[in-house]
Amino acid sequence: GAGVSQTPSNKVTEKGKYVELRCDPISGHTALYWYRQSLGQGPEFLIYFQGTGAADDSGLPNDRFFAVRPEGSVSTLKIQRTERGDSAVYLCASSLTVTTGELFFGEGSRLTVL
Amino acid sequence: SQQGEEDPQALSIQEGENATMNCSYKTSINNLQWYRQNSGRGLVHLILIRSNEREKHSGRLRVTLDTSKKSSSLLITASRAADTASYFCATYQGAQKLVFGQGTRLTINP
Repeated sequence: GAGVSQTPSNKVTEKGKYVELRCDPISGHTALYWYRQSLGQGPEFLIYFQGTGAADDSGLPNDRFFAVRPEGSVSTLKIQRTERGDSAVYLCASSLTVTTGELFFGEGSRLTVL
Repeated sequence: SQQGEEDPQALSIQEGENATMNCSYKTSINNLQWYRQNSGRGLVHLILIRSNEREKHSGRLRVTLDTSKKSSSLLITASRAADTASYFCATYQGAQKLVFGQGTRLTINP
């Protein structure tokens, strides 16, 4: 596709449920990032992939959060036993290479945990 | 953890005026980037300035970088209503982890 695609755009779930958020990066981009953004705040780094491997997962808040990128393209962010504090916009971004250049962002997935 | 911190947190000006936003960071950098985010949308890259550059222009945008003070500024000249958005600076912690500040919310009044 022309840009980074994220689905769903909105997700409402109940506390304790399992959620998957999907990111389809720009074709050919090897680097993929996940961020979380709360209202009025800047994006908070969660995890970075170079190819299929998680090169830096230091931002994942706890073991309820997990992300995969099995074929080096599409990535899925998985949240187990959701809590109300997980409510936020989850942003995905991709970059052409691992070099320190610009990121291209998707529109985000807004997660609301009731 | 936040690497860059923007100042002011919010800025409201009249259309046609210039808007200046500042960013301070903590560690040494290879480059500094500025992004814009319209309400409810993803971030859009505006400009990247490398550590060996002091000033860079792109259209109505002017970015400066002072590595001795660990600070950068973004100037938007002749502001328009469409410039209303949040603006974030971002720097790399290590080789690959791009970290954003809290942002400046800019409102352009017609």
